[in-house]
Amino acid sequence: QQQVKQSPQSLIVQKGGISIINCAYENTAFDYFPWYQQFPGKGPALLIAIRPDVSEKKEGRFTISFNKSAKQFSLHIMDSQPGDSATYFCAASRGYQKVTFGTGTKLQVIP
Amino acid sequence: DGGITQSPKYLFRKEGQNVTLSCEQNLNHDAMYWYRQDPGQGLRLIYYSQIVNDFQKGDIAEGYSVSREKKESFPLTVTSAQKNPTAFYLCASSRQPNTEAFFGQGTRLTVV
Repeated sequence: QQQVKQSPQSLIVQKGGISIINCAYENTAFDYFPWYQQFPGKGPALLIAIRPDVSEKKEGRFTISFNKSAKQFSLHIMDSQPGDSATYFCAASRGYQKVTFGTGTKLQVIP
Repeated sequence: DGGITQSPKYLFRKEGQNVTLSCEQNLNHDAMYWYRQDPGQGLRLIYYSQIVNDFQKGDIAEGYSVSREKKESFPLTVTSAQKNPTAFYLCASSRQPNTEAFFGQGTRLTVV
C-alpha cells in the first residue's frame, strides 16, 4: 500500500524551540521524500527534500532525518519562529509513480 | 514571472451544475496534477498528466474529468456526479515526476 503516515496532527512550540514532525512509509521502493510548507489560503511550497542515499539533509534551520531501516523520516525545525507557523506535509514517491502525501501537521509557534 | 496560475480563486456552484477550474503553467513542465484538499485529509490526487494528450486517474477521480490539449494547460471539470465537491483544489506541475512540484494558489469551490 502506498501510505504515508504523519504525526502529530497539530503541534504548538514556543519561539526558539525545536519543532519535530514525523512520517512513516510502507513502500520500500520510494526514493524521493519531500516536505512541503503551506500557509493558509495558499498552495504548498517545497521546503526541503531528501533521497534515501543520505541519512540527513540540512538547509538553514530545517533538517530532514531519514531512517531507511525503520522506514521513517522526520523534519526538524530549529529555533522555531512565529513565521514558521504553517501546515507541513511530508510526501514520498518513486520514479514515475504518483506522489503520496501525509495528512499534514499544523504548526503553531507562540512568542 | 514563471509559475502556475489557477483561476478563479473562489467559485460557487449550484448543485447539479458542472464547473471547470483553470490551471495554466509557464514553467515548461511536462507533468501536471490536480489535488483536492479537505481538512485533516491532506492532499488527495484527482488526476495527473505526464505528457500532452495523456492523463491518468488518481485516487479520487470519480466525478471529475480533465483534458491536456496543450502543455501549458490542464483544466479540471467538476461534474454533477461528484457528490461532495466543496473543497480546496490545487493544481501542480513538475519538470518530471519524482522531482519538486510547484503548486498554484488554489481554487476554493463551494456548492450552494
